[in-house]
Amino acid sequence: AQSVTQLDSHVSVSEGTPVLLRCNYSSSYSPSLFWYVQHPNKGLQLLLKYTSAATLVKGINGFEAEFKKSETSFHLTKPSAHMSDAAEYFCVVSGVHNTDKLIFGTGTRLQVFP
Amino acid sequence: DVKVTQSSRYLVKRTGEKVFLECVQDMDHENMFWYRQDPGLGLRLIYFSYDVKMKEKGDIPEGYSVSREKKERFSLILESASTNQTSMYLCASSLYRDGLVYNEQFFGPGTRLTVL
Repeated sequence: AQSVTQLDSHVSVSEGTPVLLRCNYSSSYSPSLFWYVQHPNKGLQLLLKYTSAATLVKGINGFEAEFKKSETSFHLTKPSAHMSDAAEYFCVVSGVHNTDKLIFGTGTRLQVFP
Repeated sequence: DVKVTQSSRYLVKRTGEKVFLECVQDMDHENMFWYRQDPGLGLRLIYFSYDVKMKEKGDIPEGYSVSREKKERFSLILESASTNQTSMYLCASSLYRDGLVYNEQFFGPGTRLTVL
């Protein structure tokens, strides 16, 4: 069985400071991992995905995430927060088969203060 | 760009009404999904479909049904709406190719349904 845990329901940062959103996963085999972002009243947009190639994955808008198998983690980072980064972020785990469902974390709401 | 559209952004219905939520994707994706999103619970899968006229139950199918008569369209039906079905409903689609994995899903903007 697969599961994903987002360790913080809310994160607040100042504009220009680093962002860290934490995610731990559980999977009986090598998973696919994703981060999605949802801005207010919008659908989910894919930020980045890990599918067993490079362990450091770069996404859109300056975000990146590192797959650490030993720690079963896939934390999302950004060196410098921007006001437009304020949104809800979802860590998602899936298997490697087309028929595998996506398992969503409960989300982390990122606030960015000026 | 993949585009997934949903028929309504906001919908208000009364208890007991039959409700149809429509989703259309324009990229010839085989797979389509319906989720509901509630605060603190993340996204939960209601139903999904891997092909026309094919459907499978997700994690919370009770009180819902679906229809997929055409590849690009996937409808979610609330046979008799109840207040506990007040939620944000998100549709998604993904591509399938034999032997390859394309499980990245593309989402529509969502329909916020209120049942009074």
